Amino acid sequence: SQQGEEDPQALSIQEGENATMNCSYKTSINNLQWYRQNSGRGLVHLILIRSNEREKHSGRLRVTLDTSKKSSSLLITASRAADTASYFCATTAGTALIFGKGTTLSVSS
Amino acid sequence: DAGITQSPRHKVTETGTPVTLRCHQTENHRYMYWYRQDPGHGLRLIHYSYGVKDTDKGEVSDGYSVSRSKTEDFLLTLESATSSQTSVYFCAISDDRGSNQPQHFGDGTRLSIL
Repeated sequence: SQQGEEDPQALSIQEGENATMNCSYKTSINNLQWYRQNSGRGLVHLILIRSNEREKHSGRLRVTLDTSKKSSSLLITASRAADTASYFCATTAGTALIFGKGTTLSVSS
Repeated sequence: DAGITQSPRHKVTETGTPVTLRCHQTENHRYMYWYRQDPGHGLRLIHYSYGVKDTDKGEVSDGYSVSRSKTEDFLLTLESATSSQTSVYFCAISDDRGSNQPQHFGDGTRLSIL
């Protein structure tokens, strides 16, 4: 069962531009997490936002959460070629995380 | 990087053979997870463990078994591999607070079943 769904599925931008990815989910959550996956590697945790938070920053990352709309967005500012990766949102279901299918971001120089 | 090692990193085997994948952690985390990642499906939970000898099923547990005899090791076994189990398998760990804390992932095992 898919809880989070990312949008768009794929995104191509130039270096220096901002990248925005969205995540929608279906049921109430305790928190929402964003992960990055580089090709051939495991997922790396980026940021966790709790249900009582509306916005969170970490370096060039900005995450927002709108629980009334059951949606979250991840903004990467001033993108770099090294940001090329797949990005996943994940929500909690008991002990486990449920991941969306991801957004593939390509940043060209 | 969190100390998580998956072995083997790549494996090719034949239908009907048993396969065991190993996840080893050096972080002393209580929770360990096995996921599979397939195109069009994202990551799906197979089994997880919340302590030594304590395991539970995930979303796609059919055809898989797990064991955890030590805190640091979590084994995933395919008793009789099928072609539908061709996938990339990821192990993850988290601390005592389970899914309300970040999970840390290994680099995966690419398993091909012919």
